[in-house]
Amino acid sequence: GAVVSQHPSRVICKSGTSVKIECRSLDFQATTMFWYRQFPKKSLMLMATSNEGSKATYEQGVEKDKFLINHASLTLSTLTVTSAHPEDSSFYICSASSGSRGYTFGSGTRLTVV
Amino acid sequence: AQTVTQSQPEMSVQEAETVTLSCTYDTSESDYYLFWYKQPPSRQMILVIRQEAYKQQNATENRFSVNFQKAAKSFSLKISDSQLGDAAMYFCAYRSGSGNTPLVFGKGTRLSVIA
Repeated sequence: GAVVSQHPSRVICKSGTSVKIECRSLDFQATTMFWYRQFPKKSLMLMATSNEGSKATYEQGVEKDKFLINHASLTLSTLTVTSAHPEDSSFYICSASSGSRGYTFGSGTRLTVV
Repeated sequence: AQTVTQSQPEMSVQEAETVTLSCTYDTSESDYYLFWYKQPPSRQMILVIRQEAYKQQNATENRFSVNFQKAAKSFSLKISDSQLGDAAMYFCAYRSGSGNTPLVFGKGTRLSVIA
């Protein structure tokens, strides 16, 4: 079946530094990648939608300069949290769509900013 | 905008019994898809079942089945013969039928299975 590999699974970084999260579709081409954020015991909140080769579309309230999304190829999308602060600590999940395949989720990244 | 409502924050069921999780949604579209996802403690999102709005027949996947009431905009999940491994967060989700659109999730229902 379709697999999306998300790395790292956990990361701890210091306040003010940047962190990059990668999502790779291993056996299919992901034309669209969705990035979600999930707070403890809460639902998934859509942050942005990216299509390969295009600029990402951010949801209202999501800072595009803080959460940089790159989708340069059909198999790789990255989310970079820039100048991270403790309030950015959360669980981040990517979800890849390739039309007929539906949606495949990465395993998530737990980010802790100290 | 579409919304998905799960009115049961928590549910519990005895092992081997049946439980139904509720979900309602609001949309003005006629073409859409509905999903139930399971999120165990590992937090990996696992697709449980999917329903196309144009299909009248309720989807079934082994012990999991849905009751899709299109007019009432209701999409409940029934888990039969509950197992300990069914314990998880369950999210109901909606997707527009047009293009690569994101899933809209409900707030989730935490299901506990009692041995």
